[in-house]
Amino acid sequence: NAGVTQTPKFRILKIGQSMTLQCTQDMNHNYMYWYRQDPGMGLKLIYYSVGAGITDKGEVPNGYNVSRSTTEDFPLRLELAAPSQTSVYFCASSYVGGRLGSIYFGEGSWLTVV
Amino acid sequence: EDKVVQSPLSLVVHEGDTVTLNCSYEVTNFRSLLWYKQEKKAPTFLFMLTSSGIEKKSGRLSSILDKKELSSILNITATQTGDSAIYLCAVRIPDYGGATNKLIFGTGTLLAVQP
Repeated sequence: NAGVTQTPKFRILKIGQSMTLQCTQDMNHNYMYWYRQDPGMGLKLIYYSVGAGITDKGEVPNGYNVSRSTTEDFPLRLELAAPSQTSVYFCASSYVGGRLGSIYFGEGSWLTVV
Repeated sequence: EDKVVQSPLSLVVHEGDTVTLNCSYEVTNFRSLLWYKQEKKAPTFLFMLTSSGIEKKSGRLSSILDKKELSSILNITATQTGDSAIYLCAVRIPDYGGATNKLIFGTGTLLAVQP
């Protein structure tokens, strides 16, 4: 009953440090997404993937990288963290044609860059 | 540029009130509109709407899509304190040459229900 699992839940980074947000899903979804949500704002798409080996940029990809070596995993890499990357990050997955066509979200990762 | 606009940005009501949240969109190729409820953590799915004029209902919540007006409303009747949350509207559009779908989110409406 895991669904979409993200780690870590909370992290404080210093400016210039790098880190990877992990995301895994056990629903055999082919589509996966990374969003960020700034305070009082809607979700913005960072990167998405339509299947293993295929990734593409979303609305706000600068400062991030992703990879999709397996169906289950979609890690998000932050290189040279900046204060503007302080945000809540949500990983999500979906299966086009699945139940209601809905998208399933992880619980979020709160990242602060100081 | 594809965009989704929600109104109001925030709303404070008393328990028992009925509220209507609005979502309007301008997108190049509409596929469906989704409503989510976001409390402290991840958004949870409420409704997906693809056809105009057909109301989706779940308990005290209901929603309807108007493709002519490029908008949707989410109604909550007899509000309770547990309805306090951010309500997100998202529009699904095709991307990647039509091979996949992308969600464009609005900024959300913050609903606070006071006892």
